[in-house]
Amino acid sequence: LAKTTQPISMDSYEGQEVNITCSHNNIATNDYITWYQQFPSQGPRFIIQGYKTKVTNEVASLFIPADRKSSTLSLPRVSLSDTAVYYCLVPTGELTGGGNKLTFGTGTQLKVEL
Amino acid sequence: DVKVTQSSRYLVKRTGEKVFLECVQDMDHENMFWYRQDPGLGLRLIYFSYDVKMKEKGDIPEGYSVSREKKERFSLILESASTNQTSMYLCASSFASRIGGKETQYFGPGTRLLVL
Repeated sequence: LAKTTQPISMDSYEGQEVNITCSHNNIATNDYITWYQQFPSQGPRFIIQGYKTKVTNEVASLFIPADRKSSTLSLPRVSLSDTAVYYCLVPTGELTGGGNKLTFGTGTQLKVEL
Repeated sequence: DVKVTQSSRYLVKRTGEKVFLECVQDMDHENMFWYRQDPGLGLRLIYFSYDVKMKEKGDIPEGYSVSREKKERFSLILESASTNQTSMYLCASSFASRIGGKETQYFGPGTRLLVL
């Protein structure tokens, strides 16, 4: 059974770099790994997406090793407003109609303090 | 700006009632999804649809059905609500040539359903 696991929670302080890892032992051979951020009483929103190696955008970096069995979201210099739950979303199997089944990780509650 | 709206933010129903949760997106997306979110379990896919009148089961379809008669609207139906269906329900939509490709899912604000 495909499992996509993340640490339940992480604590950090403002200005620090935070790395959250998602382990996906049964990832499909192709297709993208995506990370989402969720604030209370809101739906998740897209942060970053990648297929392999490293991707960087204005808010985060994503590191994906060659075997693609894990991925690490890196948030540089976090602030209080980064306190949220972070989810990875990975392809974990093929659909009969084409495309890939997607599975969310269990989510990581990041708490940033002063 | 993509907008995904859900018909209710909060809903209270009784056991055995038929419950309809509506989701509408305004970006002409082919794909639409229904998830439920529970503490400690993250988001779990109930059903998704990649075209009008097309649907596929997700990880936990039991006790649910869906309807997609128009491209912009995806409905989740609880035929006979039970207390274990008390949860947060999230709808999402995406544009992708195939699910799992380079796509971004856009989520609605969620419906918190309480079944008594």
